[in-house]
Amino acid sequence: SQTIHQWPATLVQPVGSPLSLECTVEGTSNPNLYWYRQAAGRGLQLLFYSVGIGQISSEVPQNLSASRPQDRQFILSSKKLLLSDSGFYLCAWSVPMASGTYEQYFGPGTRLTVT
Amino acid sequence: AQTVTQSQPEMSVQEAETVTLSCTYDTSESNYYLFWYKQPPSRQMILVIRQEAYKQQNATENRFSVNFQKAAKSFSLKISDSQLGDTAMYFCAIEGGTSYGKLTFGQGTILTVHP
Repeated sequence: SQTIHQWPATLVQPVGSPLSLECTVEGTSNPNLYWYRQAAGRGLQLLFYSVGIGQISSEVPQNLSASRPQDRQFILSSKKLLLSDSGFYLCAWSVPMASGTYEQYFGPGTRLTVT
Repeated sequence: AQTVTQSQPEMSVQEAETVTLSCTYDTSESNYYLFWYKQPPSRQMILVIRQEAYKQQNATENRFSVNFQKAAKSFSLKISDSQLGDTAMYFCAIEGGTSYGKLTFGQGTILTVHP
């Protein structure tokens, strides 16, 4: 069965410090990978998605970047955090279904607080 | 661009009763998919139900069913025989048929089930 891991689960970082959040998927090959951010009490906003190694698409201009060094590894980074980067970050994976859709499965998330 | 609107920030229901959560959407895609996700206090995102836009029959999953009105661009979720474990935030989401599985989410509805 497929499993998705995210770490760390919780992170408190000062403004201006770097960031690295990691996501790995087990039990599937060549998945599409996604990073979402959820502000407090709000919906999810797609930040980045990747359809293959080294292929990253950005959905929202921002202070963050993403990389996919391996097939099942997705990393979210920042060189200098801003207060507005605080939030709950979710990684997700999907593979195409026979019906034509992609069914997404989410990781447990990372709660980031920038102080 | 796709948009999803959930007009009910909060709802409450008594245990064993039925509740309906509303969702409207807008898309220029001719082929798309609609989803309801549940996010309990643990913040783990869980897929509740999926509807293919080309199917006229409303999807059902046990106590969960949808009322899909394509012309009105409406996609409501009905929860029958509500249980305490249904207490969560519920998100409506849309995926365009050519979007590599990218989801656009609504702002969510907090559902509280009272004993």
